[in-house]
Amino acid sequence: DVKVTQSSRYLVKRTGEKVFLECVQDMDHENMFWYRQDPGLGLRLIYFSYDVKMKEKGDIPEGYSVSREKKERFSLILESASTNQTSMYLCASSPGRGSGNTIYFGEGSWLTVV
Amino acid sequence: GQQLNQSPQSMFIQEGEDVSMNCTSSSIFNTWLWYKQDPGEGPVLLIALYKAGELTSNGRLTAQFGITRKDSFLNISASIPSDVGIYFCAGGSGTSYGKLTFGQGTILTVHP
Repeated sequence: DVKVTQSSRYLVKRTGEKVFLECVQDMDHENMFWYRQDPGLGLRLIYFSYDVKMKEKGDIPEGYSVSREKKERFSLILESASTNQTSMYLCASSPGRGSGNTIYFGEGSWLTVV
Repeated sequence: GQQLNQSPQSMFIQEGEDVSMNCTSSSIFNTWLWYKQDPGEGPVLLIALYKAGELTSNGRLTAQFGITRKDSFLNISASIPSDVGIYFCAGGSGTSYGKLTFGQGTILTVHP
């Protein structure tokens, strides 16, 4: 079974803090993704990565950055957390191109910024 | 970004009833996927469809990849209380590094 593990399930951070959300997948997948999920807005793509050290902006990259130094690990960084970044964050991975688009999600990280 | 048109937005049904939900798009997709999300958890893949016209079952779940490649449906037969959750459809174009386009979700409530 594919396993996507997010390091923190629940976090509470203060406005202005730098926040790291970590994600690890164990299936040697090429692609990794960060989404945020908000009521009424569905799943929105923040950033994705198709290879080590490669990244592409998704639909809502503002206020976020990412890091992929190793194939299995993809980190989401909030440089200066704000209250409008309170949300559920979902990491996901998928095999490389030509292998279909099947994405596998982690269990989610609930971030509250106060 | 683009989103799929998923309907209905919510359903309230009695245990034992059958459920049907669908997704439509103005774009063609090469892959259709259905996910279920339990409260407070990440989405879990239910069924993946890779070929137009394909009909696939997973237990009480059946999903079809529309022949036009612009739609898909998911049926749940004989619903049970643990079917409660949010069901998402997703379409993939086969390119763009595996990115998916998601529907807004169908919230399913099952009354015992």
